[in-house]
Amino acid sequence: DVVMTQSPLSLPVTLGQPASISCRSSQSLVYSDGNTYLNWFQQRPGQSPRRLIYKVSNRDSGVPDRFSGSGSGTDFTLKISRVEAEDVGVYYCMQGTHWPPRLTFGGGTKVEIK
Amino acid sequence: QVQLVQSGAEVKKPGASVKVSCKASGYTFTSYGISWVRQAPGQGLEWMGWISAYNGNTNYAQKLQGRVTMTTDTSTSTAYMELRSLRSDDTAVYYCARNPRGGETVDYWGQGTLVTVSS
Repeated sequence: DVVMTQSPLSLPVTLGQPASISCRSSQSLVYSDGNTYLNWFQQRPGQSPRRLIYKVSNRDSGVPDRFSGSGSGTDFTLKISRVEAEDVGVYYCMQGTHWPPRLTFGGGTKVEIK
Repeated sequence: QVQLVQSGAEVKKPGASVKVSCKASGYTFTSYGISWVRQAPGQGLEWMGWISAYNGNTNYAQKLQGRVTMTTDTSTSTAYMELRSLRSDDTAVYYCARNPRGGETVDYWGQGTLVTVSS
């Protein structure tokens, strides 16, 4: 089974400063069709998760352009160019390449304001 | 707009069963799948399984095999998740989420249903 590992667990950030979250998979996430099915989700306190990024770097509609995704193979990164107060929450990566049999989430990274 | 509206909170005793519903609107129900994801208090997200709303095919997480059943009612655009033989560590918020064709991602989420298992 593929394992998704995120770091850091917690990320204190000053408002207006950048933030970077790493996600590593135990197996390559490149699918046979050439796509890489790596997603990023944001979960604000008390809310349901919300998808931010799909297929490594594609932003969902309505997602601010300060969020960007990058990476390839087994190493991926979510970057926030300038953190705002509304960005506080937990961020999860999720792989869909090895589907079926399963979708797999990373353990989450908590972004908080210093 | 796409909406997934889940049933309300439940309190169950150990050994009981719970059935959570997820009513979809704003899209063609049978063109997508539904995944169920749970989140124990203070913990991360755990994928539980998937059902195709087109043909009812399912795929369950290995650890829940034999205890979970996912179904759909296409006449009401509603998905259901039943979990049996509840234990205290099944206490969690349960989410439904829409899987686009192919199943490799989830895009829209329900509001979550808190299931508390306590004697």
